[in-house]
Amino acid sequence: QQPVQSPQAVILREGEDAVINCSSSKALYSVHWYRQKHGEAPVFLMILLKGGEQKGHEKISASFNEKKQQSSLYLTASQLSYSGTYFCGTEQSSNYQLIWGAGTKLIIKP
Amino acid sequence: GAVVSQHPSWVICKSGTSVKIECRSLDFQATTMFWYRQFPKQSLMLMATSNEGSKATYEQGVEKDKFLINHASLTLSTLTVTSAHPEDSSFYICSARSIREGMGEQYFGPGTRLTVT
Repeated sequence: QQPVQSPQAVILREGEDAVINCSSSKALYSVHWYRQKHGEAPVFLMILLKGGEQKGHEKISASFNEKKQQSSLYLTASQLSYSGTYFCGTEQSSNYQLIWGAGTKLIIKP
Repeated sequence: GAVVSQHPSWVICKSGTSVKIECRSLDFQATTMFWYRQFPKQSLMLMATSNEGSKATYEQGVEKDKFLINHASLTLSTLTVTSAHPEDSSFYICSARSIREGMGEQYFGPGTRLTVT
């Protein structure tokens, strides 16, 4: 079952923060986050495993609440290069198959 | 590291012809490769999962006789769209998972845009 991402789209000014959420009705093994720019393939950002964890990558971090089957991606002090569509991919077992959310389009304006 | 290439990057073909798309992991060995198609402004739709040396596992609704997948080596998987029709026009993306112990991250190829006229 496809995870639900919210919001569908968001417009920010450079330097502002954003939070993108991903929730599933199924128990999850892991949550993967990717960013895709128009006409390009998705680029891997990070993976969070069950057990509940938080990770950081420069100004992009994420958390995974195993009990709620929710993950959130945090973008702080956004840069123009952060623009794109963010997808979460959920894994229900360790079979490496991902079920993708519908995506969240992020537009950063100067 | 973890570079995946796809060839061709775009192709235009006539209805009824077949098109082969190659997906290569350039600097790592991939136990598993995935094939996706993506329609404009939509999410990724998994078509099939292929493991080296074995038959691909197709998702429900994907015709295995129309979308032939071959994973002949740990660095190469091919997708052949047979008897292509305009409704097969789409953006096809492959991804690969490294043979090394990892967390299951997938590395994507740049995609192939197929247009069937």
